[in-house]
Amino acid sequence: KAGVTQTPRYLIKTRGQQVTLSCSPISGHRSVSWYQQTPGQGLQFLFEYFSETQRNKGNFPGRFSGRQFSNSRSEMNVSTLELGDSALYLCASSLQGTNEKLFFGSGTQLSVL
Amino acid sequence: AQSVSQHNHHVILSEAASLELGCNYSYGGTVNLFWYVQYPGQHLQLLLKYFSGDPLVKGIKGFEAEFIKSKFSFNLRKPSVQWSDTAEYFCAVMTRGGADGLTFGKGTHLIIQP
Repeated sequence: KAGVTQTPRYLIKTRGQQVTLSCSPISGHRSVSWYQQTPGQGLQFLFEYFSETQRNKGNFPGRFSGRQFSNSRSEMNVSTLELGDSALYLCASSLQGTNEKLFFGSGTQLSVL
Repeated sequence: AQSVSQHNHHVILSEAASLELGCNYSYGGTVNLFWYVQYPGQHLQLLLKYFSGDPLVKGIKGFEAEFIKSKFSFNLRKPSVQWSDTAEYFCAVMTRGGADGLTFGKGTHLIIQP
């Protein structure tokens, strides 16, 4: 069974630009959650999608948004990038939700210059 | 919102030593508790979890954790560590309602010296 796939693996953007990250969950998993990982703040929950609906949202500004498609694939978008958005963005999938065993992807390393 | 505190950011032990990593959370209601581990070059993976019942839970690779409600703690233990336990360990909490998602601690980097 293929694992959670995140693309691209690395991204370099400049301030003010926007970026879209993609996550393909394990087949059959309907929940996809996103996390931001930085050395200073650690792992922080961004949002969770289940069956194309946002179920939970963390404490991030509205510049961070996401969506989920009918095949459970998810995208995360960050608009008007700031230097502080530089981070590793991790996606995780599970059958029903974040209360279950999460399967994480390798992440997308975003650098904002 | 809940918060999770892991007391030690870096821990260095010798093989066969006993391990205890501390984790405290701030939420006063019912919680679900997790320990995740990230081995070098690998993805984050679940080590163990506690939802209810016996407060002593056993996970993979000989790890266990004890939930002490009165202390808001969920410490991770292993009686005898191996070099292969070198990894980053994350404690995580989720309230039963789940509205805030999964809250992680900042992690403990464990290095086992052979």
